[in-house]
Amino acid sequence: GEEVAQTPKHLVRGEGQKAKLYCAPIKGHSYVFWYQQVLKNEFKFLISFQNENVFDETGMPKERFSAKCLPNSPCSLEIQATKLEDSAVYFCASSQWPGLASTGELFFGEGSRLTVL
Amino acid sequence: QKEVEQNSGPLSVPEGAIASLNCTYSDRGSQSFFWYRQYSGKSPELIMFIYSNGDKEDGRFTAQLNKASQYVSLLIRDSQPSDSATYLCAVNVDNDMRFGAGTRLTVKP
Repeated sequence: GEEVAQTPKHLVRGEGQKAKLYCAPIKGHSYVFWYQQVLKNEFKFLISFQNENVFDETGMPKERFSAKCLPNSPCSLEIQATKLEDSAVYFCASSQWPGLASTGELFFGEGSRLTVL
Repeated sequence: QKEVEQNSGPLSVPEGAIASLNCTYSDRGSQSFFWYRQYSGKSPELIMFIYSNGDKEDGRFTAQLNKASQYVSLLIRDSQPSDSATYLCAVNVDNDMRFGAGTRLTVKP
């Protein structure tokens, strides 16, 4: 597709429930990033992929968060046993990055708002 | 120390004034630098990128980079109310993009 598609736009979960978010990157983009933005504050890096391989997962709270980017499927971000502090907008972004020859621009999806009650 | 730091703001300037947004980064290996604008409730969009020391101008926007001081800034000339948004500084280190917390800018008519 020509744009990064994130679903769902809104998700409400009770504390302790599972939440799963999806992201379809722009066709041909080999890098996918997930960010968490809490109440319009810090844009926190979670994880990045190069194709289906994890590139950097240093931002992931691994005990409850997991992510995948499998061939021919949307990427996913899953939160097991959600907590109140997981309430945030989760942005997915994709990029084609052939070194410095590219602008390195990230193309963002519209975000998925997760509310944990 | 955070990887990318920005003045938290909010920054308020009158219409027509120059808005100055600042950003510092911690990793000397950072290769490229970006300014994104995020309107309330929307996703970020790229407005400027810079790789080399010095100034880069694009319309009313000027990005300034000083690698020795690990400092990057964005100047918005002739600020307009439509420039009111959160401005995110982003830094690329080895194909990893790290963002600052953003500076909220309000341009008052």
